[in-house]
Amino acid sequence: RKEVEQDPGPFNVPEGATVAFNCTYSNSASQSFFWYRQDCRKEPKLLMSVYSSGNEDGRFTAQLNRASQYISLLIRDSKLSDSATYLCVVKGRDNYGQNFVFGPGTRLSVLP
Amino acid sequence: NAGVTQTPKFQVLKTGQSMTLQCAQDMNHEYMSWYRQDPGMGLRLIHYSVGAGITDQGEVPNGYNVSRSTTEDFPLRLLSAAPSQTSVYFCASSYSGQGASYYGYTFGSGTRLTVV
Repeated sequence: RKEVEQDPGPFNVPEGATVAFNCTYSNSASQSFFWYRQDCRKEPKLLMSVYSSGNEDGRFTAQLNRASQYISLLIRDSKLSDSATYLCVVKGRDNYGQNFVFGPGTRLSVLP
Repeated sequence: NAGVTQTPKFQVLKTGQSMTLQCAQDMNHEYMSWYRQDPGMGLRLIHYSVGAGITDQGEVPNGYNVSRSTTEDFPLRLLSAAPSQTSVYFCASSYSGQGASYYGYTFGSGTRLTVV
């Protein structure tokens, strides 16, 4: 089993739709969680950190369920500019407490 | 503020050649790492460093060497290029310790390497 798994996608949605991304992780000792966004042929960029109580940033809402080892990202009122690949990232623990594991990503296309 | 700078952006190598991918950051981040990204595989960690003079192997270190003589620079060396090393390489940096829990990584723009 991969350490971080995501919906395989791609997701094709119309503008204005609400879309949800799911992510599961296998290491119960994981400490920190993030969603990254990666545009085609570009570097990944941090979208938001995911906190235990859940957090929201404008149209984006992230949730964490530690018991189920599950992370989600909800995008409301999708825009064309939201088209990208969304990466779930889990920070585990190594000797230095630094081990970011990336999921394979879920591609989103928002259609006019 | 340049962030993380990678050079070159594109490179074609012949099998058996060696080369160095450069990475520099100006944010005084202690933690730096190299990833490769292949279709359907996600980002895989090659090597990382938690400070000058300290490096360690990641998930896929074979065929690559790194060194960290300064906080700013973290070059990746391909010893003898193979077609299996055709990939996109990203350098990334972050705060160490508690900071990384909140800020994650800053990535360079990547190097697209083709080995023929």
